[in-house]
Amino acid sequence: GENVEQHPSTLSVQEGDSAVIKCTYSDSASNYFPWYKQELGKGPQLIIDIRSNVGEKKDQRIAVTLNKTAKHFSLHITETQPEDSAVYFCAGTSGSRLTFGEGTQLTVNP
Amino acid sequence: GAVVSQHPSRVICKSGTSVKIECRSLDFQATTMFWYRQFPKQSLMLMATSNEGSKATYEQGVEKDKFLINHASLTLSTLTVTSAHPEDSSFYICSGLGQSYEQYFGPGTRLTVT
Repeated sequence: GENVEQHPSTLSVQEGDSAVIKCTYSDSASNYFPWYKQELGKGPQLIIDIRSNVGEKKDQRIAVTLNKTAKHFSLHITETQPEDSAVYFCAGTSGSRLTFGEGTQLTVNP
Repeated sequence: GAVVSQHPSRVICKSGTSVKIECRSLDFQATTMFWYRQFPKQSLMLMATSNEGSKATYEQGVEKDKFLINHASLTLSTLTVTSAHPEDSSFYICSGLGQSYEQYFGPGTRLTVT
């Protein structure tokens, strides 16, 4: 099955700086890569996703890049704000099933 | 994005009793729903895949007789934790599968077994 590794496990940045979280996956058949933001005590919220037919996708301050050859994808958050503080999860797919990374606790310091 | 609700948001039950958690897709039809469990400071672990009108598919190590799943309609799936024990205390989260294979998650249910 799919194996997803996520780094770093914790990330602390100053407000206004950029944050980058990276994930690698094992299943070359994976073709859908979502990123979720989870605030304490809440369910994960889909913030951006990318499919294997594109290399980059951007939505305002958030972007995701995908390198299928190297089997890794990354989340980029620019101009970070305190409200971006949360746990972020990447996921790989096997059919319709998601395999999540271990999560990254992002802290944005004002 | 699509909206998924869960009820209750938190529940406390005594050891040995059963508790039912409901998951509803509010503005889309979810032929497939998923149930996850999340322990503190850990990632989400898939427990089972629920397809409307058919039996759920359980992940390895998840007891199907303990975690009963019913997906009777395109908008409702239920998870019943039977004979609950303190080690079943966790955050249970469901998701509905969208048309383009994206998953939309509910807000989660905090189960505490005393």
